[in-house]
Amino acid sequence: GIQVEQSPPDLILQEGANSTLRCNFSDSVNNLQWFHQNPWGQLINLFYIPSGTKQNGRLSATTVATERYSLLYISSSQTTDSGVYFCAVGSGNTPLVFGKGTRLSVIA
Amino acid sequence: SQTIHQWPATLVQPVGSPLSLECTVEGTSNPNLYWYRQAAGRGLQLLFYSVGIGQISSEVPQNLSASRPQDRQFILSSKKLLLSDSGFYLCVLRAGLWGDTQYFGPGTRLTVL
Repeated sequence: GIQVEQSPPDLILQEGANSTLRCNFSDSVNNLQWFHQNPWGQLINLFYIPSGTKQNGRLSATTVATERYSLLYISSSQTTDSGVYFCAVGSGNTPLVFGKGTRLSVIA
Repeated sequence: SQTIHQWPATLVQPVGSPLSLECTVEGTSNPNLYWYRQAAGRGLQLLFYSVGIGQISSEVPQNLSASRPQDRQFILSSKKLLLSDSGFYLCVLRAGLWGDTQYFGPGTRLTVL
């Protein structure tokens, strides 16, 4: 099956810093999403981005489908950005395959 | 809008005991539902998914099973729990024209002792 690798596995940032999270996948996909899991376990959709670039406030994401990677950018990080960021991919109606996540800790 | 309920929120069970986790959804009909497990605080592993009543697809051969007795009810079960069954269990509803929206339940944190 399709493989999803996220890097880095862990990231510690000072509040206000910028960061880039990466997601590599092993096969063609037509569904790619980014999620944030807060410290209490709740998961929230961030982006549906099978290709191209999207922005939502301080977050933006870019997917280069032909090169099988996606990037999530966090600018001016805040402590509330802490948690685990997941990339998940799929094709058609197949269930999403999640990466192992990047654990982000933002320190005041 | 869609809402997912899961219970219990936390559960501590001895090895060898049975398990039943329930997921119910509101605000939609004929949903695609999924059970994922997150172990050791990282990575979501797909366990089962269902596209309709009585339709279950299993992704991992384990001592777990799932059932879809009603359109908006999805149940995860086990006859005998193992230590390795510990984890955070999430029920997920997939929606949107291209399946581009996921609604996550609040999760059940299971500890097997």
